Amino acid sequence: EAQVTQNPRYLITVTGKKLTVTCSQNMNHEYMSWYRQDPGLGLRQIYYSMNVEVTDKGDVPEGYKVSRKEKRNFPLILESPSPNQTSLYFCASSFMNQPQHFGDGTRLSIL
Amino acid sequence: QKEVEQNSGPLSVPEGAIASLNCTYSDRGSQSFFWYRQYSGKSPELIMFIYSNGDKEDGRFTAQLNKASQYVSLLIRDSQPSDSATYLCAVNDYSGSARQLTFGSGTQLTVLP
Repeated sequence: EAQVTQNPRYLITVTGKKLTVTCSQNMNHEYMSWYRQDPGLGLRQIYYSMNVEVTDKGDVPEGYKVSRKEKRNFPLILESPSPNQTSLYFCASSFMNQPQHFGDGTRLSIL
Repeated sequence: QKEVEQNSGPLSVPEGAIASLNCTYSDRGSQSFFWYRQYSGKSPELIMFIYSNGDKEDGRFTAQLNKASQYVSLLIRDSQPSDSATYLCAVNDYSGSARQLTFGSGTQLTVLP
């Protein structure tokens, strides 16, 4: 089954404790992206990747890191999380300039 | 900064009516336009995409694009309570080195039985 898999689905953690949200897709898509969704603000892009070892900033990259060492994986790293990063996060993937497929989301709470 | 604006809603329509959702975008170079449906707490699900001026129909859904006016809309005919969700408009600039989708903030639709 074609899918984008995010883990964990829910996480409650504390300020400053490094965390990683994983994203994996099995569709051989070149393009992968991370978004955060906050009430009234819609989906905002954090980082995207056009292929292995090619990443670039989106609209709200501060406080986040990504890597793309393999085509299927695109982890989102919060090295020192803060409460303003409490949000609903989505990973998405697609072939270039094709509609994106979204993962089920990760609800992250930082206390 | 590219912008995508949607009518803020919430929008309520009776069951069986036509729901009309609107979206304008700022970048005249935009090439691809998408409508996603998102149920509360769930991930966005693609409903329609349109690349050319005019109308595109798929079942009860019709997407309309007017690039001269920088306007894209989604019509839902014979609205059902199961259509109650937030609808997100997204725009793709097709630029080879730039990021892709820019999303609007969404319009919440409620279909009343």
